[in-house]
Amino acid sequence: KQEVTQIPAALSVPEGENLVLNCSFTDSAIYNLQWFRQDPGKGLTSLLLIQSSQREQTSGRLNASLDKSSGRSTLYIAASQPGDSATYLCAVSGGTSYGKLTFGQGTILTVHP
Amino acid sequence: DAGVTQSPTHLIKTRGQQVTLRCSPKSGHDTVSWYQQALGQGPQFIFQYYEEEERQRGNFPDRFSGHQFPNYSSELNVNALLLGDSALYLCASSSGTAYEKLFFGSGTQLSVL
Repeated sequence: KQEVTQIPAALSVPEGENLVLNCSFTDSAIYNLQWFRQDPGKGLTSLLLIQSSQREQTSGRLNASLDKSSGRSTLYIAASQPGDSATYLCAVSGGTSYGKLTFGQGTILTVHP
Repeated sequence: DAGVTQSPTHLIKTRGQQVTLRCSPKSGHDTVSWYQQALGQGPQFIFQYYEEEERQRGNFPDRFSGHQFPNYSSELNVNALLLGDSALYLCASSSGTAYEKLFFGSGTQLSVL
């Protein structure tokens, strides 16, 4: 059974800092890994998707890496801004799951001015 | 291009009642998945519909059922509501393969009193 863990559970940083969010998963037989952003009481916005054959994806100030063999992914946020405050969720899709995602519990990020 | 739309946005029910939630997938998508997200947790997979059939199911009781219509829209039905069913219910759509990015709706917040 796939299990996804995110560390830290919460993170508070001053504006401008670079930061790293961590995600680990127990079964390396994945199709892809996605990072999502969720604002309070809202749905999920996909930030980055990394296919199992890829090592990283970049979008603006965001960079996500994937090490499938060790079951780890990191989301790097450069020059954080107060608008980045949200919950960040990592999810993996794998095996015969036809796109079923297994999520971590998320990291609550607060960026203060 | 409309994204994934869900209705209603909020719903209040009492224990023992039945509820129906609705989802319209993103244009061009034919697969709909439903997730339950309890407060402070990551989303949990309920089931997925493709070609009007339930393709796979998570660890949820039979009180949770669904349907997909020929236009790919979907309904989630929950019978005999329990207090523990209070959660944000998220619908996600994709184009049917395990490699596709999932797009989420804004969710339906269900409160069971």
